[in-house]
Amino acid sequence: SQQGEEDPQALSIQEGENATMNCSYKTSINNLQWYRQNSGRGLVHLILIRSNEREKHSGRLRVTLDTSKKSSSLLITASRAADTASYFCATDYYGNNRLAFGKGNQVVVIP
Amino acid sequence: GAVVSQHPSRVICKSGTSVKIECRSLDFQATTMFWYRQFPKQSLMLMATSNEGSKATYEQGVEKDKFLINHASLTLSTLTVTSAHPEDSSFYICSAVDLRNTDTQYFGPGTRLTVL
Repeated sequence: SQQGEEDPQALSIQEGENATMNCSYKTSINNLQWYRQNSGRGLVHLILIRSNEREKHSGRLRVTLDTSKKSSSLLITASRAADTASYFCATDYYGNNRLAFGKGNQVVVIP
Repeated sequence: GAVVSQHPSRVICKSGTSVKIECRSLDFQATTMFWYRQFPKQSLMLMATSNEGSKATYEQGVEKDKFLINHASLTLSTLTVTSAHPEDSSFYICSAVDLRNTDTQYFGPGTRLTVL
């Protein structure tokens, strides 16, 4: 079974609003990554947060990691229509860079 | 950023034929590449690890004789779906790990396989 598991959300928000999605995992990790996938396309790496980090920013993205709760969140601030995509978290669950992906969150940003 | 390409982007074939999908790292070298498959509206499932110069390692439940992997160089891995059947229809995505930064995987754009 997959390691990372997002709450199975389909978010529909207005442009300019913030979008938050969550991910939980089951075992200890070295790092957790977030990816974006546009419909029918490959994945784009967004951000990596290490197990000894609690929060990380990259542009309009903010990722938190709570290793005590084995959970992570991704916040997209001031969303744009171009942010419409599916977002996946992934952990190095299997070791040696072999990633286990969560179910994904589909985000629709309405212009 | 690092670029990974896949070819073809789409393929339609008849049941029983074999299909080869290429994954190339265009501007970096990768001793390790990965193959995933993704069903519609679902997550990615890791199929196998492609190791340059050695045999691929397959995840549990993935048939190695069905999905042949060859990693012939530091920039190319191929996945061959042998004797394809309709249930093999899926979106196949590869990723590659840059030797210079092993934390991050770079994903190809995916190949849509449809078996009739």
